[in-house]
Amino acid sequence: DIQMTQSPSTLSASVGDRVTITCRASQSISSWLAWYQQKPGKAPKLLIYKASSLESGVPSRFSGSGSGTEFTLTISSLQPDDFATYYCQQYNSFSWTFGQGTKVEIK
Amino acid sequence: EVQLVESGGGLVQPGGSLRLSCAASGFIFSSYWMHWVRQAPGKGLVWVSSINSAGSSTSYVDSVKGRFTISRDNAKNTLYLQTNSLRTEDTAVYYCARAVGTIDYWGQGTLVTVSS
Repeated sequence: DIQMTQSPSTLSASVGDRVTITCRASQSISSWLAWYQQKPGKAPKLLIYKASSLESGVPSRFSGSGSGTEFTLTISSLQPDDFATYYCQQYNSFSWTFGQGTKVEIK
Repeated sequence: EVQLVESGGGLVQPGGSLRLSCAASGFIFSSYWMHWVRQAPGKGLVWVSSINSAGSSTSYVDSVKGRFTISRDNAKNTLYLQTNSLRTEDTAVYYCARAVGTIDYWGQGTLVTVSS
């Protein structure tokens, strides 16, 4: 199975900060990577698909980049609604796998 | 509006069974791959199983192979997950999800608790 490793596990930041989360795959997944945001007690929400495509309705402050084994999610200016846990997920081949998550906390 | 509503969760003893259901509406159910993803309390997301639009092809994570069965009834717009021989480590919120490439819509989840 393809392993997905996110860093950091926890990130403390302030409103207005630029935030970057990294996701590494144990083997090449081309651009078959998605990013999700999850708030406590809620289902995840798709932010980015195919590594860099912004899901409809998602604010443009979210962006994704990368291919192969290295990927990043960037929030250009952190907003109060963005404090949540973020997961990367590969869908290159079954079985799909998720990263362990990055919790973005208020500094 | 796309809606996915799970049901069937609850408290079950180790070794027991539950049948989870997911009622879909707001889209052409028979055109989409569907998935189950679970999340243990305080833990991350784990893909569990997938089924193609026709119901003819299925996949499972290794930890549930031989114990869980995914199926669908396109006439009823409903996805199922039959869970047998449940273990304490199967305790989780189980989400039903629709995929176009990857998952674009999730249900609200149903909690399965395996405990004696």
